[in-house]
Amino acid sequence: NAGVTQTPKFRVLKTGQSMTLLCAQDMNHEYMYWYRQDPGMGLRLIHYSVGEGTTAKGEVPDGYNVSRLKKQNFLLGLESAAPSQTSVYFCASSRGINQPQHFGDGTRLSIL
Amino acid sequence: GIQVEQSPPDLILQEGANSTLRCNFSDSVNNLQWFHQNPWGQLINLFYIPSGTKQNGRLSATTVATERYSLLYISSSQTTDSGVYFCAGNPSGGSNYKLTFGKGTLLTVNP
Repeated sequence: NAGVTQTPKFRVLKTGQSMTLLCAQDMNHEYMYWYRQDPGMGLRLIHYSVGEGTTAKGEVPDGYNVSRLKKQNFLLGLESAAPSQTSVYFCASSRGINQPQHFGDGTRLSIL
Repeated sequence: GIQVEQSPPDLILQEGANSTLRCNFSDSVNNLQWFHQNPWGQLINLFYIPSGTKQNGRLSATTVATERYSLLYISSSQTTDSGVYFCAGNPSGGSNYKLTFGKGTLLTVNP
């Protein structure tokens, strides 16, 4: 039982490049979330999903897209990376809305 | 949106000491949770505690929902307790899925 697994753990991109961050959970959770963590800003919700095939915008969705084609996976895409997207990205999942959220170990992303 | 205020922002303890961390919310919240981010950056869910008191080993938490605050108690602190402690919640009512985090309390436990 791995919980929530994020890949990759580290990545360096050049401005304008694209990439996809993968989140996989093996707890059969319905809800999945993507957050970013920046110094002095805490954790902010980017996008979330309440079930397979659904996605919704969070607090800071601009510049990101997401997909939830399979219940266990939640993908976060950057179409044209910008230096402002340098951050640590966390994926989380929960059984429902009023349930504990469980986090992956994070992806440290640097945009040069 | 709701505001989440955590205090103190920083705390330095000697191993074996006890401490209390506080989280205040500007409005009623559901889904109140406490997390520990260790020095390696991992976020661990400590408590899901929308109301009442829970205990897990040396840690316990109390939420007084009617007064919009929660407390995290750490007893007999150890160096492995070091890291940042976050509380988070989302507004009561409606279908707001956004979990709002406080800015955290940085705890350093010295040997």
